[in-house]
Amino acid sequence: QVQLVESGGGVVQPETSLRLSCAVSGFPFGSHAMHWVRQPPGKGLEWVAYISYDGTYKYYADSVRGRFTISRDNSKNMLYLQMNSVRTEDTAVYYCATEGDRLRVDHWGQGTLATVSS
Amino acid sequence: DIVMTQTPLSSPVTLGQPASISCRSSQSLVHSDGDTYLSWHQQRPGQPPRLLIYKISNRFSGVPDRFSGSGAGTDFTLKISRVEAEDVGVYYCMQATQFPVTFGQGTKLEIK
Repeated sequence: QVQLVESGGGVVQPETSLRLSCAVSGFPFGSHAMHWVRQPPGKGLEWVAYISYDGTYKYYADSVRGRFTISRDNSKNMLYLQMNSVRTEDTAVYYCATEGDRLRVDHWGQGTLATVSS
Repeated sequence: DIVMTQTPLSSPVTLGQPASISCRSSQSLVHSDGDTYLSWHQQRPGQPPRLLIYKISNRFSGVPDRFSGSGAGTDFTLKISRVEAEDVGVYYCMQATQFPVTFGQGTKLEIK
C-alpha cells in the first residue's frame, strides 16, 4: 500500500523560509519521479514542482521558480520542498504526489498546511 | 502555459442519474511520444485528490467502472454513468503533456 506523509507545515512570516518533507513507503521511490502540488484555502489545485527519479531534472511553476527548491533523498525515501522568501500567496495545503508511470500523477499524500502571515 | 478550462463549474445531479464534465485545453495535449497525458482527479470534501482516469480513458486501480473518460486533442470529457452519494466533491482535469503541469479550475458535483 502506497503511503505518502507530508510534514513541516506551520505558520511563518513573509520573507522567511520553510522546509516541507514527504515520507514515502510501499512504493519503489528511487525509480519514479515526484511532484509537489498546492491548494490555497478554498481554491483549486496548483502544480508547484517536479523532480525526476534521480534528481537530474527539476521543473517549477513560474510563481515559485527561484524561491523554492525540490530535492529528494532516495536512500531515505524522502522528498523535500525548500521554500525561501515566502509570500502570503504561498499559503496553501501542500501535497506530494507520486508519478507511478510516465507523466501519471497517481498517489497523493494527505497534505501539510503552510501559512504565511505577519 | 497550457490553459485548462472546465465546464460546468458546478453540476447539481440527481442520485442515479448520469453526469458529465468537459475539459478543454488551449493547445493539443498529444505528446511527441504519441500519448495524451490528460487525467482526471476527484477531491471529496476534506480529502486529498485521488486519481480516477489517466491518459484520457484509463481507469486507475480501484476506480468504479461508472467513471469513464473520452476525448482527443483539446477536448475531453469525464462521465459518471449513475451518480452515487460518495461521488460528491470537486473534479479536476490535469495535463502533464507539457511543463508546467496545469489543472482545470475544478467542477463541483453536488446532489440535487
